[in-house]
Amino acid sequence: DAMVIQNPRYQVTQFGKPVTLSCSQTLNHNVMYWYQQKSSQAPKLLFHYYDKDFNNEADTPDNFQSRRPNTSFCFLDIRSPGLGDAAMYLCATSRGEGRDEQFFGPGTRLTVL
Amino acid sequence: ILNVEQSPQSLHVQEGDSTNFTCSFPSSNFYALHWYRWETAKSPEALFVMTLNGDEKKKGRISATLNTKEGYSYLYIKGSQPEDSATYLCASRYTGNQFYFGTGTSLTVIP
Repeated sequence: DAMVIQNPRYQVTQFGKPVTLSCSQTLNHNVMYWYQQKSSQAPKLLFHYYDKDFNNEADTPDNFQSRRPNTSFCFLDIRSPGLGDAAMYLCATSRGEGRDEQFFGPGTRLTVL
Repeated sequence: ILNVEQSPQSLHVQEGDSTNFTCSFPSSNFYALHWYRWETAKSPEALFVMTLNGDEKKKGRISATLNTKEGYSYLYIKGSQPEDSATYLCASRYTGNQFYFGTGTSLTVIP
């Protein structure tokens, strides 16, 4: 029944070692989002895809990249993780933008050693 | 970056009590207001999406109102139950596809 799946749930990486987080959906939604949530802070939108159109938030660091090879999958690549990138990363989907509710995955908690 | 503020930050209520919390957001270029419930170890779950000034929505014991002119939304829970314990997040969408979450209100319902 899982609709938005994130793997892994917990990821440990080393400082500077590239890491990829994955998200898949069974909803066939057009839009996929990646959020970063640091402890006690609001989830922050990093970027989103409307179909194949990539939309980067202005303040998302270049260290963060994303790929969406098909409708179902979306990846978050962190090229050189720093200690400040330790956070919960949430993936979400929606049918369209704007007024459509978002469906979230359970998140991946990233630890950087 | 726009500030979406939620208050209180946390709340403890007795089972059966009714409660409410606030989401404040900049009203310029407003497009939609989302409410989500996030239980520990689960995924955030959508409660409401509201767009029009004066909108009121209800789902069971939970309801929400929206004032787009002054930039606030209230979430109400009637007769709180232990299963209502969660963090309640609001998020405001603006024209240009900007989307900002608040930090949430953590609700604990004591049996």
